Amino acid sequence: AQTVTQSQPEMSVQEAETVTLSCTYDTSESDYYLFWYKQPPSRQMILVIRQEAYKQQNATENRFSVNFQKAAKSFSLKISDSQLGDAAMYFCAYRSGRRGGADGLTFGKGTHLIIQP
Amino acid sequence: KAGVTQTPRYLIKTRGQQVTLSCSPISGHRSVSWYQQTPGQGLQFLFEYFSETQRNKGNFPGRFSGRQFSNSRSEMNVSTLELGDSALYLCASSLGGTYNEQFFGPGTRLTVL
Repeated sequence: AQTVTQSQPEMSVQEAETVTLSCTYDTSESDYYLFWYKQPPSRQMILVIRQEAYKQQNATENRFSVNFQKAAKSFSLKISDSQLGDAAMYFCAYRSGRRGGADGLTFGKGTHLIIQP
Repeated sequence: KAGVTQTPRYLIKTRGQQVTLSCSPISGHRSVSWYQQTPGQGLQFLFEYFSETQRNKGNFPGRFSGRQFSNSRSEMNVSTLELGDSALYLCASSLGGTYNEQFFGPGTRLTVL
């Protein structure tokens, strides 16, 4: 079974600074997808960024980018120019490509990101 | 486009009772997945439905069941509630493929007393 590990239960960063959240995963599959989700206090899960395992290029979405190291099974999220609205729980998630969408997401335990004004 | 809606938003039940939660996906989405979120276990996959068929189920006891209707709306049922079933239940809808984004609803907070 696949596992996702987020080793930082909590991170704090000053507004406008850059922060990197860590994620490692374990899988024997070659076809899979990785995601970062944000869950603010409202509990609404929001997709931040996604990465296909077969793509070597790291995904980028505005201030959010990933460092995908496939051999090391590492998938970190970098948030640049942190804003107060970025404060939330961040979850790293894995999804197998084996069954065409039938597999659910496997989530890490999450990292609580605090933005200091 | 309206987002994923879940009803009810909050629910209080007692041990031994059963409960039904509802999820209405985004229009056009045929896949609905359910997740349980607890402080101890985190987010765990319950099951996934596509075109009224359960395609996959997570490691949960048979007390947890679900179904999907022809309009893609989905319900999940928990019978013989236990204290440990207290959780936030999240529903997510998507077009159905692996890469397709899962859009999450606001969740149903279930408290079992």
